[in-house]
Amino acid sequence: DAGVIQSPRHEVTEMGQEVTLRCKPISGHDYLFWYRQTMMRGLELLIYFNNNVPIDDSGMPEDRFSAKMPNASFSTLKIQPSEPRDSAVYFCASRPGQLQETQYFGPGTRLLVL
Amino acid sequence: RKEVEQDPGPFNVPEGATVAFNCTYSNSASQSFFWYRQDCRKEPKLLMSVYSSGNEDGRFTAQLNRASQYISLLIRDSKLSDSATYLCVVNLGSGGYNKLIFGAGTRLAVHP
Repeated sequence: DAGVIQSPRHEVTEMGQEVTLRCKPISGHDYLFWYRQTMMRGLELLIYFNNNVPIDDSGMPEDRFSAKMPNASFSTLKIQPSEPRDSAVYFCASRPGQLQETQYFGPGTRLLVL
Repeated sequence: RKEVEQDPGPFNVPEGATVAFNCTYSNSASQSFFWYRQDCRKEPKLLMSVYSSGNEDGRFTAQLNRASQYISLLIRDSKLSDSATYLCVVNLGSGGYNKLIFGAGTRLAVHP
Protein backbone atom coordinates (compact mmCIF):
# COMPACT_ATOMS: atom_id res chain seq x y z
CA ASP A 1 0.00 0.00 0.00
CA ALA A 2 1.14 3.51 -0.70
CA GLY A 3 2.07 5.55 2.30
CA VAL A 4 1.30 9.21 2.85
CA ILE A 5 2.11 11.15 -0.30
CA GLN A 6 3.30 14.73 -0.23
CA SER A 7 4.06 17.14 -3.02
CA PRO A 8 6.17 18.90 -3.92
CA ARG A 9 9.14 17.29 -2.20
CA HIS A 10 11.16 20.47 -2.51
CA GLU A 11 10.05 24.05 -2.97
CA VAL A 12 12.16 27.16 -3.35
CA THR A 13 10.31 30.44 -3.53
CA GLU A 14 10.80 34.10 -2.95
CA MET A 15 9.46 36.05 -0.03
CA GLY A 16 5.94 37.23 -0.63
CA GLN A 17 4.94 34.39 -2.92
CA GLU A 18 2.13 31.98 -2.20
CA VAL A 19 3.13 28.42 -1.40
CA THR A 20 0.78 25.43 -1.49
CA LEU A 21 1.78 22.09 -0.03
CA ARG A 22 -0.26 18.99 -0.79
CA CYS A 23 -0.91 15.77 1.03
CA LYS A 24 -2.70 12.52 0.25
CA PRO A 25 -3.21 10.46 3.41
CA ILE A 26 -3.26 6.69 3.55
CA SER A 27 -6.58 5.43 2.26
CA GLY A 28 -9.05 4.77 5.03
CA HIS A 29 -7.29 6.88 7.62
CA ASP A 30 -9.62 9.22 9.51
CA TYR A 31 -7.05 11.66 10.85
CA LEU A 32 -4.66 13.95 9.04
CA PHE A 33 -1.95 16.07 10.65
CA TRP A 34 0.30 18.85 9.42
CA TYR A 35 3.65 19.35 11.17
CA ARG A 36 6.58 21.69 10.71
CA GLN A 37 10.16 20.79 11.62
CA THR A 38 13.01 23.26 12.09
CA MET A 39 16.34 23.01 13.83
CA MET A 40 15.34 25.66 16.33
CA ARG A 41 11.85 24.46 17.25
CA GLY A 42 11.88 20.77 16.38
CA LEU A 43 8.71 19.08 15.19
CA GLU A 44 5.55 21.08 15.86
CA LEU A 45 1.93 20.22 15.21
CA LEU A 46 0.26 22.91 13.11
CA ILE A 47 -3.26 21.54 12.63
CA TYR A 48 -5.12 18.28 12.46
CA PHE A 49 -8.32 17.04 10.87
CA ASN A 50 -10.70 14.27 11.80
CA ASN A 51 -13.01 13.10 9.01
CA ASN A 52 -12.04 16.19 7.02
CA VAL A 53 -13.01 18.59 9.83
CA PRO A 54 -10.32 20.74 11.47
CA ILE A 55 -10.14 19.81 15.16
CA ASP A 56 -7.16 21.72 16.53
CA ASP A 57 -5.46 24.56 14.67
CA SER A 58 -3.83 26.12 17.70
CA GLY A 59 -0.39 25.44 16.25
CA MET A 60 -0.93 27.45 13.09
CA PRO A 61 1.57 30.28 13.40
CA GLU A 62 -0.52 33.12 12.05
CA ASP A 63 -3.11 34.15 9.53
CA ARG A 64 -0.68 33.66 6.70
CA PHE A 65 -1.13 29.93 7.16
CA SER A 66 -4.30 28.10 6.16
CA ALA A 67 -5.16 24.44 5.73
CA LYS A 68 -8.03 22.68 4.03
CA MET A 69 -9.22 19.15 3.61
CA PRO A 70 -11.91 19.13 0.93
CA ASN A 71 -12.20 15.34 0.94
CA ALA A 72 -10.83 12.27 2.65
CA SER A 73 -7.96 11.84 0.21
CA PHE A 74 -6.54 15.33 -0.09
CA SER A 75 -5.35 18.20 2.06
CA THR A 76 -3.48 21.43 1.40
CA LEU A 77 -1.41 23.75 3.56
CA LYS A 78 -1.09 27.22 2.12
CA ILE A 79 1.23 30.03 3.12
CA GLN A 80 0.41 33.45 1.75
CA PRO A 81 2.52 35.53 1.73
CA SER A 82 5.57 33.42 2.51
CA GLU A 83 8.46 34.72 4.60
CA PRO A 84 12.04 33.45 5.07
CA ARG A 85 11.21 32.28 8.60
CA ASP A 86 8.72 29.83 7.09
CA SER A 87 11.64 27.81 5.72
CA ALA A 88 11.31 24.35 7.21
CA VAL A 89 10.35 20.78 6.44
CA TYR A 90 6.59 20.33 6.44
CA PHE A 91 5.31 16.86 7.20
CA CYS A 92 1.87 15.46 6.70
CA ALA A 93 0.84 12.42 8.73
CA SER A 94 -2.27 10.27 8.93
CA ARG A 95 -3.72 7.95 11.51
CA PRO A 96 -6.20 5.11 11.02
CA GLY A 97 -8.80 5.91 13.65
CA GLN A 98 -9.63 6.61 17.24
CA LEU A 99 -8.36 3.31 18.61
CA GLN A 100 -5.01 3.39 16.87
CA GLU A 101 -2.59 6.09 17.97
CA THR A 102 0.23 5.45 15.51
CA GLN A 103 0.75 8.27 13.05
CA TYR A 104 2.29 7.56 9.66
CA PHE A 105 4.34 10.38 8.23
CA GLY A 106 4.84 11.37 4.65
CA PRO A 107 8.33 12.11 3.29
CA GLY A 108 7.93 15.84 3.87
CA THR A 109 8.22 18.97 1.77
CA ARG A 110 11.43 20.96 2.16
CA LEU A 111 10.53 24.61 1.81
CA LEU A 112 13.06 27.37 1.34
CA VAL A 113 11.84 30.93 1.21
CA LEU A 114 14.45 33.37 -0.05
CA ARG B 1 10.33 24.76 30.31
CA LYS B 2 9.85 22.56 27.25
CA GLU B 3 6.98 20.09 27.40
CA VAL B 4 9.23 17.19 26.43
CA GLU B 5 12.94 17.35 27.16
CA GLN B 6 15.68 15.11 25.88
CA ASP B 7 19.44 15.10 25.93
CA PRO B 8 20.32 16.12 22.35
CA GLY B 9 23.50 14.05 22.28
CA PRO B 10 25.12 13.03 20.08
CA PHE B 11 25.82 9.68 21.60
CA ASN B 12 28.77 8.11 19.82
CA VAL B 13 29.02 4.41 20.63
CA PRO B 14 30.77 1.38 19.15
CA GLU B 15 28.86 -1.50 17.64
CA GLY B 16 27.64 -3.87 20.30
CA ALA B 17 27.36 -1.22 23.00
CA THR B 18 24.34 -0.65 25.17
CA VAL B 19 23.02 2.88 25.16
CA ALA B 20 20.21 4.52 27.12
CA PHE B 21 18.21 7.64 26.33
CA ASN B 22 16.16 9.56 28.82
CA CYS B 23 13.24 11.90 28.44
CA THR B 24 11.12 13.95 30.83
CA TYR B 25 7.73 15.48 30.23
CA SER B 26 6.01 18.31 32.05
CA ASN B 27 2.30 17.66 31.60
CA SER B 28 1.09 15.13 34.16
CA ALA B 29 -2.12 14.71 32.16
CA SER B 30 -0.21 13.08 29.33
CA GLN B 31 -1.98 9.94 28.25
CA SER B 32 0.33 7.86 26.13
CA PHE B 33 3.96 7.76 25.18
CA PHE B 34 6.10 6.70 22.26
CA TRP B 35 9.56 6.58 20.82
CA TYR B 36 9.89 7.56 17.17
CA ARG B 37 13.00 7.18 15.08
CA GLN B 38 14.06 9.68 12.42
CA ASP B 39 16.84 9.00 9.96
CA CYS B 40 18.72 11.89 8.42
CA ARG B 41 16.52 13.81 5.99
CA LYS B 42 13.69 11.32 6.40
CA GLU B 43 10.33 11.30 8.11
CA PRO B 44 9.79 10.14 11.71
CA LYS B 45 8.65 6.55 12.12
CA LEU B 46 7.19 4.86 15.16
CA LEU B 47 9.77 2.74 16.95
CA MET B 48 7.64 1.60 19.85
CA SER B 49 4.94 2.60 22.27
CA VAL B 50 5.83 2.91 25.95
CA TYR B 51 3.67 1.21 28.54
CA SER B 52 3.60 1.71 32.30
CA SER B 53 4.76 -1.83 32.91
CA GLY B 54 7.71 -1.42 30.57
CA ASN B 55 7.96 -3.19 27.26
CA GLU B 56 10.55 -4.79 25.07
CA ASP B 57 10.88 -5.25 21.34
CA GLY B 58 13.96 -7.23 20.44
CA ARG B 59 16.99 -5.17 21.41
CA PHE B 60 14.87 -2.21 22.46
CA THR B 61 13.38 -1.70 25.91
CA ALA B 62 11.17 1.21 26.87
CA GLN B 63 10.14 2.22 30.36
CA LEU B 64 7.80 4.79 31.82
CA ASN B 65 7.72 6.26 35.28
CA ARG B 66 4.53 8.32 35.61
CA ALA B 67 5.35 9.52 39.11
CA SER B 68 8.62 11.04 37.94
CA GLN B 69 7.28 11.88 34.46
CA TYR B 70 10.21 10.11 32.96
CA ILE B 71 10.59 7.86 29.91
CA SER B 72 13.59 5.84 28.84
CA LEU B 73 14.78 3.82 25.88
CA LEU B 74 17.50 1.20 26.13
CA ILE B 75 19.19 -0.19 23.05
CA ARG B 76 21.27 -3.32 23.52
CA ASP B 77 23.88 -4.67 21.13
CA SER B 78 23.89 -1.51 19.00
CA LYS B 79 24.07 -1.92 15.23
CA LEU B 80 25.36 0.53 12.65
CA SER B 81 21.79 0.73 11.36
CA ASP B 82 20.62 2.09 14.71
CA SER B 83 22.30 5.41 13.89
CA ALA B 84 19.47 7.92 13.83
CA THR B 85 17.71 10.53 15.93
CA TYR B 86 15.35 9.15 18.55
CA LEU B 87 12.33 11.29 19.37
CA CYS B 88 10.51 11.03 22.67
CA VAL B 89 6.81 11.66 22.07
CA VAL B 90 3.96 12.37 24.46
CA ASN B 91 0.27 12.33 23.59
CA LEU B 92 -1.65 14.99 25.48
CA GLY B 93 -4.98 13.68 24.28
CA SER B 94 -6.91 10.48 24.58
CA GLY B 95 -9.35 8.62 22.40
CA GLY B 96 -10.25 10.82 19.51
CA TYR B 97 -8.33 13.87 20.63
CA ASN B 98 -4.77 13.41 19.56
CA LYS B 99 -1.96 15.90 20.13
CA LEU B 100 1.53 14.52 19.93
CA ILE B 101 4.29 16.61 21.48
CA PHE B 102 7.73 15.71 20.18
CA GLY B 103 10.99 16.13 22.01
CA ALA B 104 13.87 17.66 20.09
CA GLY B 105 15.46 14.24 19.70
CA THR B 106 18.61 12.46 20.78
CA ARG B 107 21.11 11.72 18.08
CA LEU B 108 22.83 8.32 18.09
CA ALA B 109 25.88 7.49 16.00
CA VAL B 110 27.05 3.87 16.10
CA HIS B 111 30.53 3.34 14.71
CA PRO B 112 32.41 0.16 13.73
